[in-house]
Amino acid sequence: DAKTTQPTSMDCAEGRAANLPCNHSTISGNEYVYWYRQIHSQGPQYIIHGLKNNETNEMASLIITEDRKSSTLILPHATLRDTAVYYCIVKQYGGSQGNLIFGKGTKLSVKP
Amino acid sequence: NAGVTQTPKFQVLKTGQSMTLQCAQDMNHEYMSWYRQDPGMGLRLIHYSVGAGITDQGEVPNGYNVSRSTTEDFPLRLLSAAPSQTSVYFCASSARTGNRNIQYFGAGTRLSVL
Repeated sequence: DAKTTQPTSMDCAEGRAANLPCNHSTISGNEYVYWYRQIHSQGPQYIIHGLKNNETNEMASLIITEDRKSSTLILPHATLRDTAVYYCIVKQYGGSQGNLIFGKGTKLSVKP
Repeated sequence: NAGVTQTPKFQVLKTGQSMTLQCAQDMNHEYMSWYRQDPGMGLRLIHYSVGAGITDQGEVPNGYNVSRSTTEDFPLRLLSAAPSQTSVYFCASSARTGNRNIQYFGAGTRLSVL
């Protein structure tokens, strides 16, 4: 699985868009980008995933660059409840289950 | 929907004691796994199972045993607890069909070993 690099922490004002970057320069053609988040003391929560096209769901949008070496998770209108650690994970679709590699992620603080 | 249920939520053990952390899911998921999370660190995989009767080791399996007799349940056993096993434990499940990298996590069990 390709390695990912994320900033350690970020701040965002409530109501504004939160843009969380992830670098995955060694990603291979059959690897997807997944985003999870972990709100304090809770289990991780799946947010979104994508291969090469931009994706949007009810929680967030995922923008993947054309060369697929980086991506950005966008929370369009951040709320205080979005304060969490966000993890970017690169993995093959259908790869062996159970071995998601959670790095240290980005700690997002949404401030009033 | 209950999803993934872990019990107990909190547990304190003395060194050398044994215990079982319970994990149950009601989504008919074939894949289940156990992670541990230490302060300031990401999750590390302990054991996982791709279906009833099949288990395999993850990154940090020492000191832990698992079995999978049913699709729904995947208990984690600590045979002789050590202070190094003080951690937060998360159980997760995912479907066999479709995207198995979309995992659903329980709320966690916070374990302290004295």
